[in-house]
Amino acid sequence: SQQGEEDPQALSIQEGENATMNCSYKTSINNLQWYRQNSGRGLVHLILIRSNEREKHSGRLRVTLDTSKKSSSLLITASRAADTASYFCATDTNRDDKIIFGKGTRLHILP
Amino acid sequence: DSGVTQTPKHLITATGQRVTLRCSPRSGDLSVYWYQQSLDQGLQFLIQYYNGEERAKGNILERFSAQQFPDLHSELNLSSLELGDSALYFCASSHQGVSYNEQFFGPGTRLTVL
Repeated sequence: SQQGEEDPQALSIQEGENATMNCSYKTSINNLQWYRQNSGRGLVHLILIRSNEREKHSGRLRVTLDTSKKSSSLLITASRAADTASYFCATDTNRDDKIIFGKGTRLHILP
Repeated sequence: DSGVTQTPKHLITATGQRVTLRCSPRSGDLSVYWYQQSLDQGLQFLIQYYNGEERAKGNILERFSAQQFPDLHSELNLSSLELGDSALYFCASSHQGVSYNEQFFGPGTRLTVL
């Protein structure tokens, strides 16, 4: 089964609003990453947060990690039409050298 | 443009056939990863190669195989194709062998099995 589960599955918001997506996982992790995928294209790495970090920023992106709840959130502030995409979290553990992707959140920014 | 190239972009074939997907990693990247993305299964990790050697294996079927060549390009071979193999196949590369390194994804090969 998937290690990471994103929530919600789909999200539609008005341009300019903030978008928040969540990722929950089952087992202890080393790192958690967020990727974006535009329709039918390859994934693009957004940000990585390590298990000993609680928050990280990159431009309009803010990622938090709560290892006690085994969850992470991705906040996109001041959303733009170009942010319309699917967003995936990916986790890796110290058991093996694989990263496991969740099924993603489809974000649609309305003009 | 990630710097990772994949060919072909689209592939349409029949059940029972065999196809080969090709991937060229970014210049200087030693690791290649293969993923399968379908609507019902999401993005599934198949296999990873690092500098020519198999490094990690995921949900790869026995009908599928891969290799990485001395010039670091990689091929994914899919045989005895079934309808359920229809999916987007992505290749990704990273500089080192550890999976949490940022991976750069290619544009994908869309495989349709009729």
